[in-house]
Amino acid sequence: KNEVEQSPQNLTAQEGEFITINCSYSVGISALHWLQQHPGGGIVSLFMLSSGKKKHGRLIATINIQEKHSSLHITASHPRDSAVYICAVRSGETSGSRLTFGEGTQLTVNP
Amino acid sequence: GAVVSQHPSRVICKSGTSVKIECRSLDFQATTMFWYRQFPKQSLMLMATSNEGSKATYEQGVEKDKFLINHASLTLSTLTVTSAHPEDSSFYICSAPQRGVGGYNYGYTFGSGTRLTVV
Repeated sequence: KNEVEQSPQNLTAQEGEFITINCSYSVGISALHWLQQHPGGGIVSLFMLSSGKKKHGRLIATINIQEKHSSLHITASHPRDSAVYICAVRSGETSGSRLTFGEGTQLTVNP
Repeated sequence: GAVVSQHPSRVICKSGTSVKIECRSLDFQATTMFWYRQFPKQSLMLMATSNEGSKATYEQGVEKDKFLINHASLTLSTLTVTSAHPEDSSFYICSAPQRGVGGYNYGYTFGSGTRLTVV
């Protein structure tokens, strides 16, 4: 069993739909990251969470430390949101702490 | 914000040759750089961690003589794939943690990746 599991693996939506991607982890963490990987391969860090909820534009990320679960929500989805979304957790506090990655969720938003 | 510049973005090389990939932190000091490999439809796999001024730490199963990592300065880390073979064809990407006071990690910046094709 992977330490970080995401669901669904693939998600297809129509433009405008509300999207949720889930992430569960089995290890103690100091932070959880949501990353976006575009078709060209580049990776952008969307959120870093250690508790509660964060919002940036149409993106919302939540985390429940007790349940070891996080969700990424996209409101009013758009075709440009099509990408792979990756959940990653960090166990250490220092700059050398590595990330453990989920398998990613391929999101396709159709016009 | 913090930027890691990775070059080249795409390279095609002949089997048996070596390829060097560079990652530069443009506006911050990267004392640590993580090097990842990614196969199609798979997640990132950590290959090694480089630290400025010391030897890189390789993950189990990664040949350190084949994947040479050098962290020459606080702003430059390089990965050299030596004697490349077709099975080394992959997407390679670097990432640097952003360090705050006392070494606290407050995020990661990723390079744009290098797609290596060995023919």
